[in-house]
Amino acid sequence: DTAVSQTPKYLVTQMGNDKSIKCEQNLGHDTMYWYKQDSKKFLKIMFSYNNKELIINETVPNRFSPKSPDKAHLNLHINSLELGDSAVYFCASSGRWTAGANVLTFGAGSRLTVL
Amino acid sequence: TQLLEQSPQFLSIQEGENLTVYCNSSSVFSSLQWYRQEPGEGPVLLVTVVTGGEVKKLKRLTFQFGDARKDSSLHITAAQPGDTGLYLCAGDRGGGSQGNLIFGKGTKLSVKP
Repeated sequence: DTAVSQTPKYLVTQMGNDKSIKCEQNLGHDTMYWYKQDSKKFLKIMFSYNNKELIINETVPNRFSPKSPDKAHLNLHINSLELGDSAVYFCASSGRWTAGANVLTFGAGSRLTVL
Repeated sequence: TQLLEQSPQFLSIQEGENLTVYCNSSSVFSSLQWYRQEPGEGPVLLVTVVTGGEVKKLKRLTFQFGDARKDSSLHITAAQPGDTGLYLCAGDRGGGSQGNLIFGKGTKLSVKP
């Protein structure tokens, strides 16, 4: 069983459209995240949810809206897509500290291409 | 803003060579993690170092956390083609399990047979 699964893996769409990416984890973790990885492979946090509550909301356009129906799911909805939104979006989760550190388990990523 | 500077950005070596990747910051981290990412996949944790001066070994990989907990290095001995991938360091800003990890920009390693 995949620990953190996200769908779809690939998404190609036109500018101005609205799209969603879904994420589910079966690890029993309390915290889930969305990260964005740009073309230069830089991984930057977008949002963090702890037990369905928004914890971190970095400087992200409000066209991006995360939703966590329960602690095992964190979805990302993007309105009015722009060319600059093209990237790979990674979902991740973390549980209790492991050996004094906050360790992340990542999904396989969703590659979004905006034309 | 806390930044993690990772170097080199790209590294292409022959099988059997040794290499070191560096991760530096002016800020102190409560822990530092190293991840490896293969094409089409998410990053996978290799190791976590928590104590200043700590050294951890994972087969041919040696990880060190600086005494001041501001920097870390990853040394690979006798690299193999299977080591090819993107290596990412990540610093934990502390404060509990609430996602305070910041990532370096990665080192893309290519090991040629």
